[in-house]
Amino acid sequence: AQTVTQSQPEMSVQEAETVTLSCTYDTSESDYYLFWYKQPPSRQMILVIRQEAYKQQNATENRFSVNFQKAAKSFSLKISDSQLGDAAMYFCAYTQGGSEKLVFGKGTKLTVNP
Amino acid sequence: NAGVTQTPKFRILKIGQSMTLQCTQDMNHNYMYWYRQDPGMGLKLIYYSVGAGITDKGEVPNGYNVSRSTTEDFPLRLELAAPSQTSVYFCASSYPLDRSGALSFGPGTRLTVT
Repeated sequence: AQTVTQSQPEMSVQEAETVTLSCTYDTSESDYYLFWYKQPPSRQMILVIRQEAYKQQNATENRFSVNFQKAAKSFSLKISDSQLGDAAMYFCAYTQGGSEKLVFGKGTKLTVNP
Repeated sequence: NAGVTQTPKFRILKIGQSMTLQCTQDMNHNYMYWYRQDPGMGLKLIYYSVGAGITDKGEVPNGYNVSRSTTEDFPLRLELAAPSQTSVYFCASSYPLDRSGALSFGPGTRLTVT
C-alpha cells in the first residue's frame, strides 16, 4: 500500500524567511500525482500545489515551490518570503493515476514568527 | 458558486444515537468523498463515490453508511454513535484526480460523542 510520511510534526520560520517542509512517499507505480494542502485554523483544506510524476520540472505557485526527487521519492515544499498568513497545518498527499483516492501524510504544523 | 457545503458545523451526540452529516456540491463533480481527521493523524478516507448510485468503502468505513442518489448530495450516516467516532469530518468533491488534480473540501463538521 502506498504511504506518505511527513517527518516534521512542527516547524517554525521567521516572517520573510524561507522554510522547507519534507515529505516522502512509498510507491511502486510510475503514474502518480502529488499534492500539498494547507489547513489554516479555519479547518478549510486548500490546495497549495500539484505535481505530476511524469513531469521533471518542479511545480511552482507564486511563493510556493516543490523539490520533486522522483528517484528518492521525496516531495518537499519550499515557502519563500514567509507571511503570517502561511501559518497552518500542511499536508502532503499522493494519488495513483486512475485512482479515486488520496493518501495523506499526518501533517506538519507551521508557525510563522513576526 | 458555493463549492462544497456541509451541515452541521458542530454536533454533540450521546453514545448510541444516530445522525446524518449532510454534504452538497454545486460544481458538477462526479467524485465525492468523506474523510475524518483525528488529531495528529492526517485524514482517513471513510467512503467515496464516483457518481450517482455508486459508492465504495475507504480505509475506515465501519460504523458509517453513505448514499448517492444525486450528483450534488453525498450524506454520511452514523448509526449507533461511539466515542471512537469523535472527530472532524470533511466532505470533498473533485473531477477525476489525475485530470483535475485536486479535491475541493467543505469546511468540516466537528462531532463529539459522549
